[in-house]
Amino acid sequence: AQSVTQLDSHVSVSEGTPVLLRCNYSSSYSPSLFWYVQHPNKGLQLLLKYTSAATLVKGINGFEAEFKKSETSFHLTKPSAHMSDAAEYFCVVISLDRPPGNNRKLIWGLGTSLAVNP
Amino acid sequence: NAGVTQTPKFRVLKTGQSMTLLCAQDMNHEYMYWYRQDPGMGLRLIHYSVGEGTTAKGEVPDGYNVSRLKKQNFLLGLESAAPSQTSVYFCASSRMGVEAFFGQGTRLTVV
Repeated sequence: AQSVTQLDSHVSVSEGTPVLLRCNYSSSYSPSLFWYVQHPNKGLQLLLKYTSAATLVKGINGFEAEFKKSETSFHLTKPSAHMSDAAEYFCVVISLDRPPGNNRKLIWGLGTSLAVNP
Repeated sequence: NAGVTQTPKFRVLKTGQSMTLLCAQDMNHEYMYWYRQDPGMGLRLIHYSVGEGTTAKGEVPDGYNVSRLKKQNFLLGLESAAPSQTSVYFCASSRMGVEAFFGQGTRLTVV
């Protein structure tokens, strides 16, 4: 069975400092992994995705994530935080090895709230 | 290109009333999902569909019904609303269960 654990429910950084949002996953099959962002009172937007190509994935707004199979991790990083990065971030896993059905449901982490202080 | 459109955006219901939330996508996606989002609980899957005419239960299906009569539309029904169904509801669609595209959400309050 697949699962996702976001290790921090809340992260606070100062503007201009690096961001690290941690995500560990569990999957019996080759996973696809995603990070979504949700700004206050908004919908969810895809930040980036890993689908078995390059292990370092670059996304929008300067974010990137590295897939580490040995550590079962997919941490999200950004070199320099901006005030507009303040939002809720969700790590998501899905398995692509099975036919359509239960095993293609997106499995969501509980989210990490990122605060950026001036 | 509208993507995923949810209607309505806001609704207040009295306990026991019924309503239908409509989700429409124009990307020809096979998969569609209904989620609810509650504070501290992330997104929880209510029902999903892998194609026209098919639906399946997610994590929290009780009190909800769905229909997918057309590929582009996925309807979520509340037969008899309860205060526990106060939530923000998100619809999403995806191509073959890969990355999902979301609507802007429906904020539902049941009083």
